[in-house]
Amino acid sequence: SQTIHQWPATLVQPVGSPLSLECTVEGTSNPNLYWYRQAAGRGLQLLFYSVGIGQISSEVPQNLSASRPQDRQFILSSKKLLLSDSGFYLCAWSVPTGRDEKLFFGSGTQLSVL
Amino acid sequence: QQQVKQSPQSLIVQKGGISIINCAYENTAFDYFPWYQQFPGKGPALLIAIRPDVSEKKEGRFTISFNKSAKQFSLHIMDSQPGDSATYFCAATRAIFGNEKLTFGTGTRLTIIP
Repeated sequence: SQTIHQWPATLVQPVGSPLSLECTVEGTSNPNLYWYRQAAGRGLQLLFYSVGIGQISSEVPQNLSASRPQDRQFILSSKKLLLSDSGFYLCAWSVPTGRDEKLFFGSGTQLSVL
Repeated sequence: QQQVKQSPQSLIVQKGGISIINCAYENTAFDYFPWYQQFPGKGPALLIAIRPDVSEKKEGRFTISFNKSAKQFSLHIMDSQPGDSATYFCAATRAIFGNEKLTFGTGTRLTIIP
């Protein structure tokens, strides 16, 4: 069966510090991978998605970047965190079927930038 | 930007009652409408989804009602239980575009009281 691992679960970082969140998927090949951010009381905002190794699409201009060094590994990074980067970050994956794709989320990382 | 408007923002229902969450969309090209359920500190999980060729889809106590002419769809939870207390997100997309074009509503926090 397929599983998604996302870590850490909680992170407190000072403003200006770097960030690296990692996500790995097991039990599937060539998944589409996604990074979402969920601000308190708001919906899910797509930050990045990837259809293959080294292929990253960004949905919104921001202080963050993403990389996909391996087929089932997706990394969210920042060189210098801002207060506004605080939020709940979710990694997700799907199998590209071209129709009614199901999206599977990880358990999330609660990031607090102080 | 294509929006999906979700209401209410929060909902309190007595155990055994019917919970109803509503969503409205703008883009008539949308043809896939999933609902996600999220428990505190966890990632969302796909609950149920519908395509516009049917007006209703039922899975256990969960039913999606779809009104294509009004561009509205709703989630009904029958015989609501305390374990249903969670945040619910509606979403919409054109199925051929996949999840990178999935537009989420802002979420409804549902609380079921004894």
